[in-house]
Amino acid sequence: GESVGLHLPTLSVQEGDNSIINCAYSNSASDYFIWYKQESGKGPQFIIDIRSNMDKRQGQRVTVLLNKTVKHLSLQIAATQPGDSAVYFCAEKAGRRALTFGSGTRLQVQP
Amino acid sequence: DTGVSQDPRHKITKRGQNVTFRCDPISEHNRLYWYRQTLGQGPEFLTYFQNEAQLEKSRLLSDRFSAERPKGSFSTLEIQRTEQGDSAMYLCASSLAGVSSGANVLTFGAGSRLTVL
Repeated sequence: GESVGLHLPTLSVQEGDNSIINCAYSNSASDYFIWYKQESGKGPQFIIDIRSNMDKRQGQRVTVLLNKTVKHLSLQIAATQPGDSAVYFCAEKAGRRALTFGSGTRLQVQP
Repeated sequence: DTGVSQDPRHKITKRGQNVTFRCDPISEHNRLYWYRQTLGQGPEFLTYFQNEAQLEKSRLLSDRFSAERPKGSFSTLEIQRTEQGDSAMYLCASSLAGVSSGANVLTFGAGSRLTVL
């Protein structure tokens, strides 16, 4: 079936370094993508989103890149901070369908 | 507005019992979603409403699960004859359907954790 997945289950970075979290998707009909951050005991929190008619979108310290040719999505976090430690999920949707989430990447920021 | 509220936060029950979770979305949001999340996994979609209408149900949603949103505001998710495999975090989210840039962004609650013994 159609799915969204992540390459790396755990990513460990040094504080101040840049982080890149990758995600592959298989549904070519997906037209919207979104990244969420989830801290322990909390619900997912919106980080940034992108529509399929774009290939890059920037927020505060975060950038999402979309490569539709290879069905790949990435989240870049600049100057990673301890507060960025969490599990990150990508999710995609096609048309009016609900968001489908991947399995997540744990980001560990070492001081 | 305090965001999306879910109640109870934790529920421990014995196998075979029925449980009900409640979700109060952000007041101006017309869409309400239910997801289930197990440890180490991403949220799995269960169902969603636009106003009172249940627009989509996942094939994961067995006959033991039923969700309602009778007045288009709060929603309940009931699980009948619970099984140990139902143990999970049940997440509710809401959004405002439309064409604005934020229309697809779901705001999640903190979840209701179910443990079936």
